[in-house]
Amino acid sequence: QVQLQESGPGLVKPSETLSLSCTVSGGSLTNYYWSWIRQPPGEGLEWIGYIHYSGSTNYNPSLNSRVTMSVDMARNQFSLQLTSVTATDTAVYHCAREMCTGGSCFFGDWGQGMLVTVSS
Amino acid sequence: QSALTQPRSVSGSPGQSVTISCTGTSSDVGRYNYVSWYQRHPGKAPKVLIYDVNKRPSGVPDRFSGSKSGNTASLTISGLQAEDAADYYCCSYVGTYTVLFGGGTKLTVL
Repeated sequence: QVQLQESGPGLVKPSETLSLSCTVSGGSLTNYYWSWIRQPPGEGLEWIGYIHYSGSTNYNPSLNSRVTMSVDMARNQFSLQLTSVTATDTAVYHCAREMCTGGSCFFGDWGQGMLVTVSS
Repeated sequence: QSALTQPRSVSGSPGQSVTISCTGTSSDVGRYNYVSWYQRHPGKAPKVLIYDVNKRPSGVPDRFSGSKSGNTASLTISGLQAEDAADYYCCSYVGTYTVLFGGGTKLTVL
């Protein structure tokens, strides 16, 4: 079974850029959509967006202007950048693999999640 | 777009059944049969239980079932077990290749 592992700084200063990577092991990025999902403390899950292995992306409209995702096939990784962060971006960030059947997709595999705190 | 509405908490005794609701609108839950449910134990990665309203991935016990009526989807857990104590999240497709999650429900097994 594929495994996903988030990595990156656990502390980011306000107004700076949050950068995370997700390393995929036990499988290839090919033929899948890869998502980022976050959970602020005490709140529910929020979908940030996805990137297809081909490089096409789609982002949550509420975050669209601040989000960039990229994929590195050689390293079997995909990444998230979130610019101009504030304290409200403090959350556990998960990466996930989308499983698509027919016309729908669901999040079939998840990383354990990584807490990113925005604070000076 | 506001999160789908779930009860903050539900509880049940071992062997009983519990149902967790997930209420959206006619633009999301009511419009698409693309609702999924996830279980999350503290400190662990979420796990998919149900997709496409009522389909179970292989390996998920048939104690977990999903349904939908109008703008509300439901997850029912029958034969409640101690290990079912966890947080549960619904998720719905909302169009333009985007999805929306619920706020989450904490299940306590008494």
